[in-house]
Amino acid sequence: AQSVTQLGSHVSVSEGALVLLRCNYSSSVPPYLFWYVQYPNQGLQLLLKYTTGATLVKGINGFEAEFKKSETSFHLTKPSAHMSDAAEYFCAVSDRGAQKLVFGQGTRLTINP
Amino acid sequence: GAGVSQSPSNKVTEKGKDVELRCDPISGHTALYWYRQSLGQGLEFLIYFQGNSAPDKSGLPSDRFSAERTGGSVSTLTIQRTQQEDSAVYLCASSLNGRTSRDEQFFGPGTRLTVL
Repeated sequence: AQSVTQLGSHVSVSEGALVLLRCNYSSSVPPYLFWYVQYPNQGLQLLLKYTTGATLVKGINGFEAEFKKSETSFHLTKPSAHMSDAAEYFCAVSDRGAQKLVFGQGTRLTINP
Repeated sequence: GAGVSQSPSNKVTEKGKDVELRCDPISGHTALYWYRQSLGQGLEFLIYFQGNSAPDKSGLPSDRFSAERTGGSVSTLTIQRTQQEDSAVYLCASSLNGRTSRDEQFFGPGTRLTVL
């Protein structure tokens, strides 16, 4: 069964610093890959997704992620953290042809002033 | 336009009681999903509806859980004889087509269920 691993349940960075949130998936066949963000007491919002084509994907709020097949990874980055980026981030995968999403455990991002 | 809405936003119930959770998807979206978010299990898929097709119930944790979708729009998730381990946030999502997961799933704010 497909699985997703997010390294680090909590990540803390200073405002203006690089944000790096790690995600690895288990499938030998590249799945569709997603990053979602969840602000307190809100639902999930899609940040970006990879389905096919260019492996570097740009999303909303200055985030981007790179699909690396050889490393089975889809890490999320942002060059300069902003206080408003504090939230929980979920990596998710879906087998091609499937409908449901399989989520990682989530990473809570804290931004220090 | 209006997003996915869920009601109630919070539900507190006693162990053994039945509960119904409601989801109103985005108008025109043919696919609807239920997920559960709990401290111990993270975010888990529960059930998926696509148009008039038979739903994918593969994620329902027990036969106490059921869901229906009336008229291809509103969905109700029912939990019978609730247990404390059912305490979680129940999230609903919808997508325009949903035949593959390439379609973006739009999530509602969730219903927080607490079973005492």
